[in-house]
Amino acid sequence: EAGVTQSPTHLIKTRGQQATLRCSPISGHTSVYWYQQALGLGLQFLLWYDEGEERNRGNFPPRFSGRQFPNYSSELNVNALELEDSALYLCASSGGQGVGDTQYFGPGTRLTVL
Amino acid sequence: AQKVTQAQTEISVVEKEDVTLDCVYETRDTTYYLFWYKQPPSGELVFLIRRNSFDEQNEISGRYSWNFQKSTSSFNFTITASQVVDSAVYFCALSEAGGTGGFKTIFGAGTRLFVKA
Repeated sequence: EAGVTQSPTHLIKTRGQQATLRCSPISGHTSVYWYQQALGLGLQFLLWYDEGEERNRGNFPPRFSGRQFPNYSSELNVNALELEDSALYLCASSGGQGVGDTQYFGPGTRLTVL
Repeated sequence: AQKVTQAQTEISVVEKEDVTLDCVYETRDTTYYLFWYKQPPSGELVFLIRRNSFDEQNEISGRYSWNFQKSTSSFNFTITASQVVDSAVYFCALSEAGGTGGFKTIFGAGTRLFVKA
């Protein structure tokens, strides 16, 4: 069974640009989560999508947004990039059962903002 | 409010030593879930275990064991006879139902484990 996939692996942008990160969940999973892991820091929750809708978001500015497509894949968009947005962005998926769900993670996209 | 504390930032052991990674959590909910994940140098988080708040049985899986104690709000992870391949960052996480915003999963800051040959 294929795991969670993310693309691209690495992304280099300059300050002020926009970045788009993509995630495909495990087959059968309806929930997708996005996390930011800045260097040396833990995982910070960004967004949770389930059945095409945003269910919850973390304490991030509105320039972090995303969407979930009918096939449950997801996109994370970061507008007006700032240097501190440089981080590993991890996507996870789960079966959509709620609080007790186990989240399975992808390999991440490393975003570098110059 | 949710909080997960992994007080040990880094631990270094020699191969074959036993090592325990501590995790202390805070929650107001009676129903919640605790998780441990391993993040090897490749970066991908690997799920290790899930435990719900009503199941205080300890669990053993090979060289791994977990000790869940609600009385002290702790969910500690022990690796017996550590190996070099155990070198990674280990994260403890807590999920609770939360309020109107739906549930959130909060991760601890992680403990970096170095196992030397």
